Amino acid sequence: AQSVTQLDSQVPVFEEAPVELRCNYSSSVSVYLFWYVQYPNQGLQLLLKYLSGSTLVKGINGFEAEFNKSQTSFHLRKPSVHISDTAEYFCAVYGSGNTGKLIFGQGTTLQVKP
Amino acid sequence: DVKVTQSSRYLVKRTGEKVFLECVQDMDHENMFWYRQDPGLGLRLIYFSYDVKMKEKGDIPEGYSVSREKKERFSLILESASTNQTSMYLCASRPRGGGMNTEAFFGQGTRLTVV
Repeated sequence: AQSVTQLDSQVPVFEEAPVELRCNYSSSVSVYLFWYVQYPNQGLQLLLKYLSGSTLVKGINGFEAEFNKSQTSFHLRKPSVHISDTAEYFCAVYGSGNTGKLIFGQGTTLQVKP
Repeated sequence: DVKVTQSSRYLVKRTGEKVFLECVQDMDHENMFWYRQDPGLGLRLIYFSYDVKMKEKGDIPEGYSVSREKKERFSLILESASTNQTSMYLCASRPRGGGMNTEAFFGQGTRLTVV
């Protein structure tokens, strides 16, 4: 069965510093990968997705992620964070089959400090 | 824009009550999902439905049931609410099939407190 591991539960970082949120997934023949963001008291919003093609995926709010098949990773990066990026971030992968069952990691809380 | 609407943002219920959480989507999606979100555990799938009247158990179905009588509506039912079901509940929908439209869309969530 597919699984997703987010390696850091909390990532504190100062404003304007770069950040990387790590995500590893269990391997599969075909993989669709996603990063979602959840701001306080809100639902999940899609940041970016990898379906096929270029391994570097650009998303909203200046975030990007790189799909690395050999390392089964899909780390999320931003070169310079803002206070407004403080939120919880979830990595997700579709399970096998065509039902669209999304499997989530445990989440990483990004805390941006002034 | 795709819209997934959950009927309540906040709910407080008593132990033993039967609780209904409602979710409606307006994009004719075949697949709908109920997740539970708890700190440190991420989102865990309770049930999902891939068509009207069709449902499958997710990872944590115990204590829950679902109903999908119409394509746009997916209800989560707590048959007899317990305090360990206090949590944030998120509904999602997605069209069937792969391709570039494989994104899932989420509602705003319902924070349920069982006292």
